[in-house]
Amino acid sequence: DQQVKQNSPSLSVQEGRISILNCDYTNSMFDYFLWYKKYPAEGPTFLISISSIKDKNEDGRFTVFLNKSAKHLSLHIVPSQPGDSAVYFCAARLMNTGFQKLVFGTGTRLLVSP
Amino acid sequence: ETGVTQTPRHLVMGMTNKKSLKCEQHLGHNAMYWYKQSAKKPLELMFVYNFKEQTENNSVPSRFSPECPNSSHLFLHLHTLQPEDSALYLCASSQVVSWDNTEAFFGQGTRLTVV
Repeated sequence: DQQVKQNSPSLSVQEGRISILNCDYTNSMFDYFLWYKKYPAEGPTFLISISSIKDKNEDGRFTVFLNKSAKHLSLHIVPSQPGDSAVYFCAARLMNTGFQKLVFGTGTRLLVSP
Repeated sequence: ETGVTQTPRHLVMGMTNKKSLKCEQHLGHNAMYWYKQSAKKPLELMFVYNFKEQTENNSVPSRFSPECPNSSHLFLHLHTLQPEDSALYLCASSQVVSWDNTEAFFGQGTRLTVV
């Protein structure tokens, strides 16, 4: 049973528009959430994170929103750029554990067209 | 050279072959990990090494055998694999300083094809 779900395998957006990537989770013991970005032929790289005590975290063009009651988080990219085209993984951490206990989603492939 | 480096980048092997994947980190981290990424599946943690000691084995079949000779190097020895083992194998490293460490760095991965 997948505890972290990214139900959209792919998303296409035009340059300059907003990209919204969604992630749902089932375990209420998750206390920290991360987004990783992966380009082809490269390993995933950390993008942005949010603690469960917050509902929003912003870093430049990237904002992550957390809705604990809905067990839902989303990554907003504004404005989207062609260089943002990659696979985005959502990950969640169990309370009182470290990186080794991160649970990953299946990823969403974002394509930003010029 | 910096970061996490994995070799080879691509590997094709027969089911009776023995091969090894190598991972090297130049970040001074004390923990290293092997992950498996299969098509349309989440990243799956396979093994964890903290300070060269294996601390986690997520029910991985014995045909996968990890080795961590020092805190900078991690190997994954492969033998008698099955076609369903074909996947992207990712190495990662992190600095474990407290229970809440989450920042880790991944290598580029080895794309393994078992024929």
